Amino acid sequence: EAGVAQSPRYKIIEKRQSVAFWCNPISGHATLYWYQQILGQGPKLLIQFQNNGVVDDSQLPKDRFSAERLKGVDSTLKIQPAKLEDSAVYLCARVEVQETQYFGPGTRLLVL
Amino acid sequence: AQKVTQAQTEISVVEKEDVTLDCVYETRDTTYYLFWYKQPPSGELVFLIRRNSFDEQNEISGRYSWNFQKSTSSFNFTITASQVVDSAVYFCALSSAAGNTGKLIFGQGTTLQVKP
Repeated sequence: EAGVAQSPRYKIIEKRQSVAFWCNPISGHATLYWYQQILGQGPKLLIQFQNNGVVDDSQLPKDRFSAERLKGVDSTLKIQPAKLEDSAVYLCARVEVQETQYFGPGTRLLVL
Repeated sequence: AQKVTQAQTEISVVEKEDVTLDCVYETRDTTYYLFWYKQPPSGELVFLIRRNSFDEQNEISGRYSWNFQKSTSSFNFTITASQVVDSAVYFCALSSAAGNTGKLIFGQGTTLQVKP
């Protein structure tokens, strides 16, 4: 049991539209990660939160991507406007003991 | 810079064969963690194992075993007597113990197909 809820599971939008993804580490963990996994590749970190604060967003395309974690629990990742190359699976992860990350089911985004 | 290389893109075996998935990593850190994850067709990443850099003991869990060799910067994964349910993409990953990011650096993944 990964203990991470994500929604929606699938989303299809047209380029230049906006989209938002939601993540809830069910057990309420301090550290939360968002990863982007493009088809055929390993996941790549977009942003890391520690409670409400951002620890690492160096790989987040800030001109179009934004993320927030209010109250240190659930988190939202937004893309505005979306591009074709944003088609990917967006994964959210929580951390357990000794740096082990557990992932949610992901949101599959297709940008047409 | 940290890097994980999984040179095998795809492997196909027949059920009951043994198969080894290779993982080679690069890091300048003295303390780090290595991981293997399984991604079945459903898409969810499933944690399999974590190894600390100071613990080179090999580990066996049922049909799974892992061989960690610091001297060659490798962390290979062997499935004994493979089964169709083992078909998935397997990722090796690395994280640094330095700082407090803990972000995972993933390899490209190895797609394993086990045929009946």
